[in-house]
Amino acid sequence: NAGVTQTPKFRILKIGQSMTLQCTQDMNHNYMYWYRQDPGMGLKLIYYSVGAGITDKGEVPNGYNVSRSTTEDFPLRLELAAPSQTSVYFCASSSLRDGYTFGSGTRLTVV
Amino acid sequence: GQQVMQIPQYQHVQEGEDFTTYCNSSTTLSNIQWYKQRPGGHPVFLIQLVKSGEVKKQKRLTFQFGEAKKNSSLHITATQTTDVGTYFCAHGSSNTGKLIFGQGTTLQVKP
Repeated sequence: NAGVTQTPKFRILKIGQSMTLQCTQDMNHNYMYWYRQDPGMGLKLIYYSVGAGITDKGEVPNGYNVSRSTTEDFPLRLELAAPSQTSVYFCASSSLRDGYTFGSGTRLTVV
Repeated sequence: GQQVMQIPQYQHVQEGEDFTTYCNSSTTLSNIQWYKQRPGGHPVFLIQLVKSGEVKKQKRLTFQFGEAKKNSSLHITATQTTDVGTYFCAHGSSNTGKLIFGQGTTLQVKP
């Protein structure tokens, strides 16, 4: 099992550009999450999904969008990138029986 | 929402010394999870506690959930350099699985 796979691992964006962070899991988990982690800080929830077709906002959703068309995939869309979105983005999934399984992260820099 | 406060923010110890990080909430928590994040890595699930007064051990790691379910601790006995990283506590929603993370405690171990 690959677990949770995130792509790309690194990306540099110019202000105003858009991009999609990909996340896929092969554990058949219904629950998926996007977090951001700023340097030396904890993790803040951006969006989450409790199943295909269902998404909801977390603590810091502004500037982001998500979709969940399948159980496996939960992409995060950044529109009009801003320097404040420079961060490490983690995708995670869960069955609720155990803790989260995290992907290895996407390190995004907006310049 | 329920917040979890974690102390200390940083801890430097000599290899072989013990280490403890504390997680506190002003409200009763239904559960508490603990994660470890190595430098440059992603959070890895360690354990979940759900019962009042619960104590669980994983080799040199001891996890406790307070009697009032408002606090938790992680104690590492005789630290090793492999213990270096940031330890996060997190409280999870039982129906959505959303995790609210503490700020983390970063452990440095001097060999």
